[in-house]
Amino acid sequence: EAAVTQSPRNKVTVTGGNVTLSCRQTNSHNYMYWYRQDTGHGLRLIHYSYGAGNLQIGDVPDGYKATRTTQEDFFLLLELASPSQTSLYFCASSVNWGLSYEQYFGPGTRLTVL
Amino acid sequence: SQWGEENLQALSIQEGEDVTMNCSYKTYTTVVHWYRQDSGRGPALIILIRSNEREKRSGRLRATLDTSSQSSSLSITAAQCEDTAVYFCATANTGANTGKLTFGHGTILRVHP
Repeated sequence: EAAVTQSPRNKVTVTGGNVTLSCRQTNSHNYMYWYRQDTGHGLRLIHYSYGAGNLQIGDVPDGYKATRTTQEDFFLLLELASPSQTSLYFCASSVNWGLSYEQYFGPGTRLTVL
Repeated sequence: SQWGEENLQALSIQEGEDVTMNCSYKTYTTVVHWYRQDSGRGPALIILIRSNEREKRSGRLRATLDTSSQSSSLSITAAQCEDTAVYFCATANTGANTGKLTFGHGTILRVHP
């Protein structure tokens, strides 16, 4: 079974702070995704990648950067965190791109920006 | 229904009852994903249904897909307490040739003993 891990699981920072969320998948999946989950909005795609060094913009990218350093590792960066970025963040991976491919999600990181 | 401007829905039922959750979408699609999210965990795929299937079963779960009405449903037969979770549908615009999933707002299902 696909394994996706995230760290940290909880993070508290202040407005203007610098935050890095980490994600690792161990099943050699090509695609990785970052989502945020907020009540009333469901899951929204921030960024995604189809391989090391690649980055694609999602639906809500403002205020976020991301970097895929290896096939396994995908990072989400908030360089000037704002309270509006308080949310539950999920990383996911899939073997390929397209509707027929299941996405495997990590356990999530709860970020609070004070 | 999970799509559009609807708020997150909540359903509360007794153990042993049947329940159906609905999902309507606005784009042309041929595949709908149904995910389940348990408290404190990430979503996990429970059923993937394609347009040529119309209905798909997995244990006590049954999903339907009607592309003409752009809707899908997920039914649980004889619900159990462990079915308590949030259920999401997700799909993408097949006509736009994108695999980028768009998730519905979800349905909170609570099954009481």
